[in-house]
Amino acid sequence: DQQVKQNSPSLSVQEGRISILNCDYTNSMFDYFLWYKKYPAEGPTFLISISSIKDKNEDGRFTVFLNKSAKHLSLHIVPSQPGDSAVYFCAAQNTGNQFYFGTGTSLTVIP
Amino acid sequence: NAGVTQTPKFRVLKTGQSMTLLCAQDMNHEYMYWYRQDPGMGLRLIHYSVGEGTTAKGEVPDGYNVSRLKKQNFLLGLESAAPSQTSVYFCASSDRGGWDEKLFFGSGTQLSVL
Repeated sequence: DQQVKQNSPSLSVQEGRISILNCDYTNSMFDYFLWYKKYPAEGPTFLISISSIKDKNEDGRFTVFLNKSAKHLSLHIVPSQPGDSAVYFCAAQNTGNQFYFGTGTSLTVIP
Repeated sequence: NAGVTQTPKFRVLKTGQSMTLLCAQDMNHEYMYWYRQDPGMGLRLIHYSVGEGTTAKGEVPDGYNVSRLKKQNFLLGLESAAPSQTSVYFCASSDRGGWDEKLFFGSGTQLSVL
């Protein structure tokens, strides 16, 4: 059973606009969350993370929001750029234990 | 900056054949992992290692074996390949097992079992 879910397989956004990628989880024991970005024929690369003691973490154009009561997190990319086109994976961890990954959302930023 | 290197990048096997996937990392990481990625599913953990000489089962270990004889290398073996093992395999490493752990991934191995 998927403990981490990304219900949108794909998303298209105009360059310069905001991209919002969503992720839901079922395990209330998860206390650390990450987003990874993956280009074709490459491995996933770390993008941004957030601890469960926070509800927001920002790094440049990327912001991750965490809503623990809803067991939901989202990744905001502002402004979106064509180079952001990739597959984005959400991951969750109960500290010290294994990571659980979502199925990924393919983002296309249209120039 | 090699990071995590996987060999081979592509492989085609016949059912019943065996093979070994090699993962090497040059970051002196203690933890190493093998994941598989299948369409419509997230990355799933096969086996992992928390240090040289140690291995442990992950979420989907059946049909695979691993060895960590050297800190920098983590080998994934398929003794008798099955079509269900057709997948993209990713190796990853990390420098700690606690909070703020980040996984560093290799570029993947595309395996097809006919």
